[in-house]
Amino acid sequence: DGGITQSPKYLFRKEGQNVTLSCEQNLNHDAMYWYRQDPGQGLRLIYYSQIVNDFQKGDIAEGYSVSREKKESFPLTVTSAQKNPTAFYLCASSTPLHYEQYFGPGTRLTVT
Amino acid sequence: GQQLNQSPQSMFIQEGEDVSMNCTSSSIFNTWLWYKQDPGEGPVLLIALYKAGELTSNGRLTAQFGITRKDSFLNISASIPSDVGIYFCAGQLRGSSNTGKLIFGQGTTLQVKP
Repeated sequence: DGGITQSPKYLFRKEGQNVTLSCEQNLNHDAMYWYRQDPGQGLRLIYYSQIVNDFQKGDIAEGYSVSREKKESFPLTVTSAQKNPTAFYLCASSTPLHYEQYFGPGTRLTVT
Repeated sequence: GQQLNQSPQSMFIQEGEDVSMNCTSSSIFNTWLWYKQDPGEGPVLLIALYKAGELTSNGRLTAQFGITRKDSFLNISASIPSDVGIYFCAGQLRGSSNTGKLIFGQGTTLQVKP
């Protein structure tokens, strides 16, 4: 089955700890994206990558970091510098000539 | 940043009724997409629109790309309980074609009473 996987579904961390969220896709898509969703709100872009070894900041990149060493993988690290990290995080991918983004199931991060 | 105004914010309807929602902006878009999100899950793509005036259907769903390229509409006919969820519009701004970035509306929460 082709698709996007995110793990884990639920993640709990103590304040001050860095945490890495996994995103893997087997759709052979070049572009990948990370979004943050807060209750009752739309999706806000954190980082995106159009090709391996390259990525750009989105609208709310502060306190986050990413890497894109493989086409299939685009992990997101939520650092201790992120002031309000508790949220639902969504990963998506798309082909470079297509604007249709396909989403993973999401990771709900709770930091206490 | 750029914004999409999606309305209504929420709807509570009777099963069998038709539903309409829309997204508007002051900017011109090259692409409009409509997604549905179930609670605790990722959004699922429903319909993609690429040309001004385009009208596309997917089962009981019909979406249109506004002729001004600044708006889009989604209609759901004969709603059923499984239509419950949050519907998002998303657009690709003219001039952003080399980034693949989308702008999302705030979502319309749909509740259906059996």
